[in-house]
Amino acid sequence: EAGVAQSPRYKIIEKRQSVAFWCNPISGHATLYWYQQILGQGPKLLIQFQNNGVVDDSQLPKDRFSAERLKGVDSTLKIQPAKLEDSAVYLCASSLEPGRGNTIYFGEGSWLTVV
Amino acid sequence: GEDVEQSLFLSVREGDSSVINCTYTDSSSTYLYWYKQEPGAGLQLLTYIFSNMDMKQDQRLTVLLNKKDKHLSLRIADTQTGDSAIYFCAEKGSSNTGKLIFGQGTTLQVKP
Repeated sequence: EAGVAQSPRYKIIEKRQSVAFWCNPISGHATLYWYQQILGQGPKLLIQFQNNGVVDDSQLPKDRFSAERLKGVDSTLKIQPAKLEDSAVYLCASSLEPGRGNTIYFGEGSWLTVV
Repeated sequence: GEDVEQSLFLSVREGDSSVINCTYTDSSSTYLYWYKQEPGAGLQLLTYIFSNMDMKQDQRLTVLLNKKDKHLSLRIADTQTGDSAIYFCAEKGSSNTGKLIFGQGTTLQVKP
């Protein structure tokens, strides 16, 4: 079974530029998550989708971050304009919808450096 | 609010047992998880335990849960150099969202 796919793996941009990350979840997984992991910290949830609807985006800095999952499958996370403090690993994860499964699978992450 | 705490660093010798500890605050947690992260990699699910259990064993891994004290531990028997990584404890609350709250991670160093 294929895992959660993410791209690009690595990205270096200058502050105030924009960047987009893509995620393809495990086939059949209705729930998709984007987490931000700053170096030395645990991952923190940015946004959670159930199919193509947003379930929780309370921690998403909406002035610069946006995410979509238009067809309920793959998803894109965008940062515009980037700040130095956005340097982090952006982890995509997926799971069956709540009540059908308790395992959340993570991708390899997209490593962002803002200079 | 929800919070998960872990010790930051543990060093053991190859062949010894490792015990990584975690405490959490959300008494309504339904599941508790252990993930492993190797350098440059994503999170690998090691094991998880339902909140009405107090122990789960899976090969070299033993998870102990003390729900009264909100304390979770991961024991790795016969620790190998390949076990060197960062280990994250995470809890899933009772909300329908299913999101995980992570600790800051424990770096396990295994010396040959």
